[in-house]
Amino acid sequence: QSVLTQPPSVSGAPGQRVIISCTGSSSNIGAGYDVHWYQQLPGAAPKFVIYANNNRPSGVSDRFSGSKSGTSASLAISGLQAEDEADYYCQAYDSGLSAWVFGGGTKVTVL
Amino acid sequence: QVQLVQSGAEVKKPGASVKVSCKVSGYSLTELYIHWVRQAPGRGPEWMGGHDPEDGKAIYSQRFQGRVTMTEDTSTDTAFMELTSLKSDDTAVYFCTTTVGQLADIRNWFDPWGQGTPVTVSS
Repeated sequence: QSVLTQPPSVSGAPGQRVIISCTGSSSNIGAGYDVHWYQQLPGAAPKFVIYANNNRPSGVSDRFSGSKSGTSASLAISGLQAEDEADYYCQAYDSGLSAWVFGGGTKVTVL
Repeated sequence: QVQLVQSGAEVKKPGASVKVSCKVSGYSLTELYIHWVRQAPGRGPEWMGGHDPEDGKAIYSQRFQGRVTMTEDTSTDTAFMELTSLKSDDTAVYFCTTTVGQLADIRNWFDPWGQGTPVTVSS
C-alpha cells in the first residue's frame, strides 16, 4: 500500500488528453511539499518529467503539465502519442515517515 | 552530465547480504548526493536512504534502519549500498540516483538514475 494513491491505469486515443491523479495526506502533499512526476518505460529506470509541481525539465515535451491542490496533485498529458505509453509515478516528501515517498504508479495505455 | 552505472544482477539466499555498486562519471562522486531507491516487481519505487560521499553522512529510511549501509570509495568515484538479513520480499530492482538539492532537502527529486540492479532473494 503506497503512501501516495494513484489510479492503476488510464487510457486514451492518440491525440486525446489524459489526467493522472495522485492523492496524499496532510503529512505529505497537504503539508505543502513539492510533488514530482516520473515516467518509466518498460525495463528502464524512472525519468523525471515534472518537478516542483508544475515545472518541466528541458527536453520534456510541453504536452506534459502538472498541478497541485490541497492533498492532491495531477499530471496531464495532452496530444497523447504512442511513445507516451509507460508507467507514471508521483513523489513527495512525507514528514510523518521522514522519507521521500512514491505513488503506486499509473499505467498509461494509448488505444 | 552525470552518468551512473551499477553492478550486475545478484541472486542471494534468505539471511545473506548483498552489496550493490554505483560508479559515477561526468562528475566527482564528492560533488553529488547519492540516494538509493528500490522497486519490487509491480510496485512503485521506495526510497531507502541517501548519503553524502564528501563527509560520509547518511540518512536512512526507518524501514531499513539497521539493515542498510551506504558507503563510498572516492578514489574510484563509486558508491555502495549493502543490505543485510535478506528476505524474499527484498527481491527488487535497486537503483542509485542523485539529487540537485542538499542531502536532506525535502524539495528533492531524483535525477538521473542508474540502470538498476536486480536482486533476487530465494532459497
